[in-house]
Amino acid sequence: EAAVTQSPRNKVTVTGGNVTLSCRQTNSHNYMYWYRQDTGHGLRLIHYSYGAGNLQIGDVPDGYKATRTTQEDFFLLLELASPSQTSLYFCASSPGQGRAPLFGEGTRLSVL
Amino acid sequence: GDSVTQTEGLVTLTEGLPVMLNCTYQSTYSPFLFWYVQHLNEAPKLLLKSFTDNKRPEHQGFHATLHKSSSSFHLQKSSAQLSDSALYYCALSGVNVGDNSKLIWGLGTSLVVNP
Repeated sequence: EAAVTQSPRNKVTVTGGNVTLSCRQTNSHNYMYWYRQDTGHGLRLIHYSYGAGNLQIGDVPDGYKATRTTQEDFFLLLELASPSQTSLYFCASSPGQGRAPLFGEGTRLSVL
Repeated sequence: GDSVTQTEGLVTLTEGLPVMLNCTYQSTYSPFLFWYVQHLNEAPKLLLKSFTDNKRPEHQGFHATLHKSSSSFHLQKSSAQLSDSALYYCALSGVNVGDNSKLIWGLGTSLVVNP
């Protein structure tokens, strides 16, 4: 069964802290995405990738880095976390070419 | 650039009444349109996708028709159920010819169905 797995599911850190969010998909999808979801703003694309080693800049990339180490694994890095990055983060994967993304269950991040 | 506009904010209905959530779009090319549903504390899940041949997709009692003339893909259901209470997103695929992997999302519409 197609799946996207995120870890951790919840994370609390302090301002200036270093956070890595992980995402793994077992769908053989080429495309992977990182979104943040905030009330009033909907889903906003942070970074996405076409495949291992590829990275594309999304719409709200400031303060975030990402790395696609394999076809399956996509990581989001917050090197100096700020309270404005408190949010619900979703990873998704897609075959691309107009196909609908499949979402992971989300990671709730709080930056104190 | 491409954009998606949804019914804003909150829609409140009584159980049994019809549902219509609006979605209009702007796109240079002929895009695919999607509806996603997100229940509380869950991930967004695909509800419907537009077809290229004017067929009307249906799922869980919901349907939507892509009208290219009016650039719309409204979500409809004849009779709302309590379990339909959720956040609904309309999304468009196909920003540029060379990069149709990136979806454009509306801001979402919260639907609350009351007994």
